[in-house]
Amino acid sequence: GEDVEQSLFLSVREGDSSVINCTYTDSSSTYLYWYKQEPGAGLQLLTYIFSNMDMKQDQRLTVLLNKKDKHLSLRIADTQTGDSAIYFCAEGSNDYKLSFGAGTTVTVRA
Amino acid sequence: NAGVTQTPKFQVLKTGQSMTLQCAQDMNHEYMSWYRQDPGMGLRLIHYSVGAGITDQGEVPNGYNVSRSTTEDFPLRLLSAAPSQTSVYFCASSSRDTTYEQYFGPGTRLTVT
Repeated sequence: GEDVEQSLFLSVREGDSSVINCTYTDSSSTYLYWYKQEPGAGLQLLTYIFSNMDMKQDQRLTVLLNKKDKHLSLRIADTQTGDSAIYFCAEGSNDYKLSFGAGTTVTVRA
Repeated sequence: NAGVTQTPKFQVLKTGQSMTLQCAQDMNHEYMSWYRQDPGMGLRLIHYSVGAGITDQGEVPNGYNVSRSTTEDFPLRLLSAAPSQTSVYFCASSSRDTTYEQYFGPGTRLTVT
């Protein structure tokens, strides 16, 4: 949606770190999300962060939130070929309706 | 535990035809919603429901109807299909207590010719 923006493509070498960036406009957002979509599949919730947090780490995933700049990032450490997918940033409030970005296609090259 | 299921996986319609996309969840979730996914646009909310008997419009509701007669099912009806409705449709559900965890179905790819 127009309220959430992210770059469309990212190419990364296997073993390197990937960083996907996202900006949003709704200052009342309560939750920020990262979803992963593999080819031909639905959306898989990767991780989410509450708006009162700055950082969340979950195994190879690190989410950073800069609420002042309304900037969200997802870092994937030691990127693998299985990480090739489309990654969607989304924001939501307590009414649970989500606004999605257009998705970043991540390609992992050997 | 099947989670969120959608049928059919693929569908081709002619302009003017009607059909119903099915969505079911077995997690006893109160909230269900329908999104469409178009290239370069992310997902857009069509309709949603906060419980049986309650539905409301999302961002792009025109040309679609929904009903929620049971907690488990949330069908999406296309009244008179148009080529602009060619898209991939996703159903999602979440619990009222953990609204931040939305579970998505595998999607229905619809082509209207």
